Amino acid sequence: EAGVVQSPRYKIIEKKQPVAFWCNPISGHNTLYWYRQNLGQGPELLIRYENEEAVDDSQLPKDRFSAERLKGVDSTLKIQPAELGDSAVYLCASSFPWGSRQETQYFGPGTRLLVL
Amino acid sequence: EDQVTQSPEALRLQEGESSSLNCSYTVSGLRGLFWYRQDPGKGPEFLFTLYSAGEEKEKERLKATLTKKESFLHITAPKPEDSATYLCAVQGGGLTGGGNKLTFGTGTQLKVEL
Repeated sequence: EAGVVQSPRYKIIEKKQPVAFWCNPISGHNTLYWYRQNLGQGPELLIRYENEEAVDDSQLPKDRFSAERLKGVDSTLKIQPAELGDSAVYLCASSFPWGSRQETQYFGPGTRLLVL
Repeated sequence: EDQVTQSPEALRLQEGESSSLNCSYTVSGLRGLFWYRQDPGKGPEFLFTLYSAGEEKEKERLKATLTKKESFLHITAPKPEDSATYLCAVQGGGLTGGGNKLTFGTGTQLKVEL
């Protein structure tokens, strides 16, 4: 069974440029998460989707970050404009819904972003 | 607010030298404690979920245990391929930490040498 797929794997951009990351979750997983992981730190949740609905985006910097999950499957996370401090690994994860007792989150390989 | 503290930050072992990693946590209504392994340049790989104090789970050379305040990941007779960063995370069920939010620690970087 295919795992969580993310692209691109690496991205280098100049500050103030836009960037987008794409995620395809495990088939059947209705819940999708975007995390950011800084070097030497654990992942931190940015946004959680239940199907098409963003149910927790309290940690998403909404002035420059946006996300969408059209049709409740694939998702895109966008940063516009990027800042130096946005350099990090952006991880996508998916799981069965909250309350299903099968809530283990499975992670993709991540997108490594470097902002110059 | 849920918090997770892992120790040590880094651990160097000789092959076959058993040891334990610690994960201390505070959470409003523990719904689950998770252990992940993360290799350089990769995403976290799921290892175990523990739900209640006293629970234990094993996989090959790894054994995870849980108390009301901490979890241990015991590594028995480690091999070089066990070298990785081990992340601990908690899922709270309280009103402020509800939903399926995981709060991660900063990880223990394990190096197993021949």
